[in-house]
Amino acid sequence: AQSVTQLDSQVPVFEEAPVELRCNYSSSVSVYLFWYVQYPNQGLQLLLKYLSGSTLVKGINGFEAEFNKSQTSFHLRKPSVHISDTAEYFCAVRPNAGGTSYGKLTFGQGTILTVHP
Amino acid sequence: DVKVTQSSRYLVKRTGEKVFLECVQDMDHENMFWYRQDPGLGLRLIYFSYDVKMKEKGDIPEGYSVSREKKERFSLILESASTNQTSMYLCASSFGHRGTSGTYEQYFGPGTRLTVT
Repeated sequence: AQSVTQLDSQVPVFEEAPVELRCNYSSSVSVYLFWYVQYPNQGLQLLLKYLSGSTLVKGINGFEAEFNKSQTSFHLRKPSVHISDTAEYFCAVRPNAGGTSYGKLTFGQGTILTVHP
Repeated sequence: DVKVTQSSRYLVKRTGEKVFLECVQDMDHENMFWYRQDPGLGLRLIYFSYDVKMKEKGDIPEGYSVSREKKERFSLILESASTNQTSMYLCASSFGHRGTSGTYEQYFGPGTRLTVT
């Protein structure tokens, strides 16, 4: 089984400041890792994903994340945030083995990012 | 563009009513999922389906059932709605068969906010 912990439930930040949203996971098998974003009154949208290869993954809207296997972390970063980045962000994992997973995701609790002018 | 639509954005039902939430995807995806989203708990998987007429329980199936009679449509049924089922319900879909679903992202609908009074 997998579990995901997002270490901050809320992150307030000023516009143009850098931000890091933290995600740690636990799994007995290798995993794929995902970050999704949910803007107010909308469904979830994929920001980026780590499947294999380079541990630094770039996504949409200037976000990037770094996979750290030894620390079982997948933190999301952006060097300069905009008001429009205000949203809830979810980290998720999925086993990368076959079997009966059918692509099921395990989500973290979510981090609400609020960008102030 | 992948599109996942849900029949209602907002729904208000009375305790004891039978409730149907409908989800339709237009990308011929094999896998479909129902989640509920609650503040501080993230997304939790209720049921998923990997083929027509096939379904498997997720992490919190109690009080729910599902139906998938056609590939594009996945219904969530609350047999007798209770106040603790007041929540946001999100449907998602993805490509992939057993053992091959891991790399594919899930696409989400806009959600149905259900209130049971």
